[in-house]
Amino acid sequence: AQSVTQLDSHVSVSEGTPVLLRCNYSSSYSPSLFWYVQHPNKGLQLLLKYTSAATLVKGINGFEAEFKKSETSFHLTKPSAHMSDAAEYFCVVSRAGDSSYKLIFGSGTRLLVRP
Amino acid sequence: GAVVSQHPSWVICKSGTSVKIECRSLDFQATTMFWYRQFPKQSLMLMATSNEGSKATYEQGVEKDKFLINHASLTLSTLTVTSAHPEDSSFYICSARDRPGGRGEQYFGPGTRLTVT
Repeated sequence: AQSVTQLDSHVSVSEGTPVLLRCNYSSSYSPSLFWYVQHPNKGLQLLLKYTSAATLVKGINGFEAEFKKSETSFHLTKPSAHMSDAAEYFCVVSRAGDSSYKLIFGSGTRLLVRP
Repeated sequence: GAVVSQHPSWVICKSGTSVKIECRSLDFQATTMFWYRQFPKQSLMLMATSNEGSKATYEQGVEKDKFLINHASLTLSTLTVTSAHPEDSSFYICSARDRPGGRGEQYFGPGTRLTVT
């Protein structure tokens, strides 16, 4: 079975400083991993995804994540936070090649950006 | 492109009544749609997988007779909460996966907030 653990329920950073949102996964199979962002009153938006190609994945809005199999981690980073980055972030796993296409969501991390 | 809409965005109903929520893929065809439930400040929990033209597949613990799902076309899936109770109050989110030949990604709707009084 697959699962994801987001290690921090809240992360607070100052504008212009780096962002690190941590995610560890568990999967018996080759996983596909995703990061989604949820802004209030808006649908979830895909930031980036890993599907067994390059381990360093670049996404939208300056975010990137690195797949580390040895550490079973897929942490999300951004060099410099903007106020507009304040939102809820979800780490998500699915089984690569799983024809059901089911996504398993982590518990979420709320990112707060201080002026 | 790849926009998913939900209607209504919020609804208040009385206990014992039924509520229908629509999920539409506006600019692509979706053979598979998913319904999620999100409690306040919690994660999304998959309720069911809806395939066009066939019966929905429900996750363990989800009552199929209470949450009726219909996927009548490649652009529309509906979730009907029957005989709603206050504990059904939640944020319901759908997603749509584009058909083979597309990018194979799930695109999420903005959600529907249901309050049962």
